[in-house]
Amino acid sequence: GQNIDQPTEMTATEGAIVQINCTYQTSGFNGLFWYQQHAGEAPTFLSYNVLDGLEEKGRFSSFLSRSKGYSYLLLKELQMKDSASYLCAAVDSNYQLIWGAGTKLIIKP
Amino acid sequence: IAGITQAPTSQILAAGRRMTLRCTQDMRHNAMYWYRQDLGLGLRLIHYSNTAGTTGKGEVPDGYSVSRANTDDFPLTLASAVPSQTSVYFCASSDSTSGTDTQYFGPGTRLTVL
Repeated sequence: GQNIDQPTEMTATEGAIVQINCTYQTSGFNGLFWYQQHAGEAPTFLSYNVLDGLEEKGRFSSFLSRSKGYSYLLLKELQMKDSASYLCAAVDSNYQLIWGAGTKLIIKP
Repeated sequence: IAGITQAPTSQILAAGRRMTLRCTQDMRHNAMYWYRQDLGLGLRLIHYSNTAGTTGKGEVPDGYSVSRANTDDFPLTLASAVPSQTSVYFCASSDSTSGTDTQYFGPGTRLTVL
């Protein structure tokens, strides 16, 4: 079956760095998305990776290893507004998104 | 530009009643999607539409129907609501049907079926 695994919850300190991991098992693979979702709000796009390696976008970076079925989202210089859930979603061979349950990130002052 | 709007914002519904959740986008996107989001579970695709006039079933289509009469609107209907359909429903759209395009989400409808 198809499966996405990510930690349920993480806690980090304001100003620090946090890495949120995601492992996936899908029938075929056509890339991986990260979305941010604040409580009570809609998910919003953060990144899309289809090739191996690290892509940096300001304070946020996303990494992909296709051979390991693994991705991570790296958040630097954490701010209180980064408190949110982070959703990992892999694109399968039918170009459908398979979503993880999300990682709730709690930022403490 | 509003993006994607959904209505109602929230609704409490008696079991057995019929309900239509509305979704409208103004980005002229070809593809539209309906998801439900439940605590502890990932977003689950209910139905999708690759273009006006066509629809397809997602992972959890039972008890739901959709139509796509034009590009902008994609309503989701619960013919006879059941308590297990209590959830937050998100409508989304994307420019192409490739699956690798960014999906843009509406604000969601919180539905409670009693």
